Amino acid sequence: GQSLEQPSEVTAVEGAIVQINCTYQTSGFYGLSWYQQHDGGAPTFLSYNALDGLEETGRFSSFLSRSDSYGYLLLQELQMKDSASYFCANSNQAGTALIFGKGTTLSVSS
Amino acid sequence: DADVTQTPRNRITKTGKRIMLECSQTKGHDRMYWYRQDPGLGLRLIYYSFDVKDINKGEISDGYSVSRQAQAKFSLSLESAIPNQTALYFCATSEGAANEKLFFGSGTQLSVL
Repeated sequence: GQSLEQPSEVTAVEGAIVQINCTYQTSGFYGLSWYQQHDGGAPTFLSYNALDGLEETGRFSSFLSRSDSYGYLLLQELQMKDSASYFCANSNQAGTALIFGKGTTLSVSS
Repeated sequence: DADVTQTPRNRITKTGKRIMLECSQTKGHDRMYWYRQDPGLGLRLIYYSFDVKDINKGEISDGYSVSRQAQAKFSLSLESAIPNQTALYFCATSEGAANEKLFFGSGTQLSVL
């Protein structure tokens, strides 16, 4: 089987830093992806970690620890426009489709 | 123009009706997917196809069928719609060795009464 666990909701204020965690259980593992989805919109790709460590893309970073079956998305200098749902996803076999977690709703307030 | 186009954007139908959701893409990707989104349940995989002759079931394929008419076209059918198939449906294509980067269409909101 394959499953990914994320917190359902996270709240933060503008300018803060927030971390969204993702733990996974899978018989195999081929990297962890992160997606952002605004209300009424389509999910969009944010980042991908194939190997352990930190990947940085502007204000967003993603981390992976394969030995701990754990990853996180780090959002810095939060802005109101970062209010959205964030999904982690992975595949358990090379060449198969992504399976998604249930998503974390991030609310950023002023 | 959108790279992944879904039609219709919204559809209301009645229980027992057959309905088809269509997806076309101009990205030139071989790999296409159908996902369903329900509040609080995230995105769940219905079917996927890695080329015109390849069709694979996903997590929740019961009650659905698909057709890959061409590299650019992948349609999803509900043979006899039921109310618990009311959901937001997304088509996607992918690139990357692990299919890690998906490109989603704008979605089709389906309501089954």
